Amino acid sequence: DGGITQSPKYLFRKEGQNVTLSCEQNLNHDAMYWYRQDPGQGLRLIYYSQIVNDFQKGDIAEGYSVSREKKESFPLTVTSAQKNPTAFYLCASSIGQGHPSYNEQFFGPGTRLTVL
Amino acid sequence: AQSVSQHNHHVILSEAASLELGCNYSYGGTVNLFWYVQYPGQHLQLLLKYFSGDPLVKGIKGFEAEFIKSKFSFNLRKPSVQWSDTAEYFCAVFNSGFSGGYNKLIFGAGTRLAVHP
Repeated sequence: DGGITQSPKYLFRKEGQNVTLSCEQNLNHDAMYWYRQDPGQGLRLIYYSQIVNDFQKGDIAEGYSVSREKKESFPLTVTSAQKNPTAFYLCASSIGQGHPSYNEQFFGPGTRLTVL
Repeated sequence: AQSVSQHNHHVILSEAASLELGCNYSYGGTVNLFWYVQYPGQHLQLLLKYFSGDPLVKGIKGFEAEFIKSKFSFNLRKPSVQWSDTAEYFCAVFNSGFSGGYNKLIFGAGTRLAVHP
């Protein structure tokens, strides 16, 4: 089955620790995204990548980092610099610019991060 | 800054009641509009989308939405809801003109719908 997988589903972290969230897609999509979902605030864009080895900051990139070494993988690291990291994190992908449906995004199941 | 407003944060309905969830956006240019749904414990999934053409869009599970350009609105409707429609619904607008040349998806805050049997 084609889709997006995120792991782990639940993650607990102590303050001051970095943690990496995994996102893998087998849809052969060029573009990948990370969002943060907080109650009552919808989804906010953290980072995005339109192509391998390239990524850009979204609206709330401070305290986060990403890499895009492979087309199918876009891991997100939540660093100790992120002031309020407890949230639900969603990864998404889309077919990439140039295709008629490039602005339709497909989402993974999410990772719920809790900082203790 | 471009924004998407969903008027109701929480909606409670009985089964068979009609549903209308409001969505307004602030962007004045060409837009692509989406409604996503997040059922409890499941992925965010696309309910319906509008790119161009007929402003009345039919989606999955009996949902529809109407794009009214003059009102900058894209309201979601269903004539008769079911208990299984209990979920959170997000309106999203694809916004061109983001600085740096990247077109991004802007989400509303979401509406939690609870349908009682």
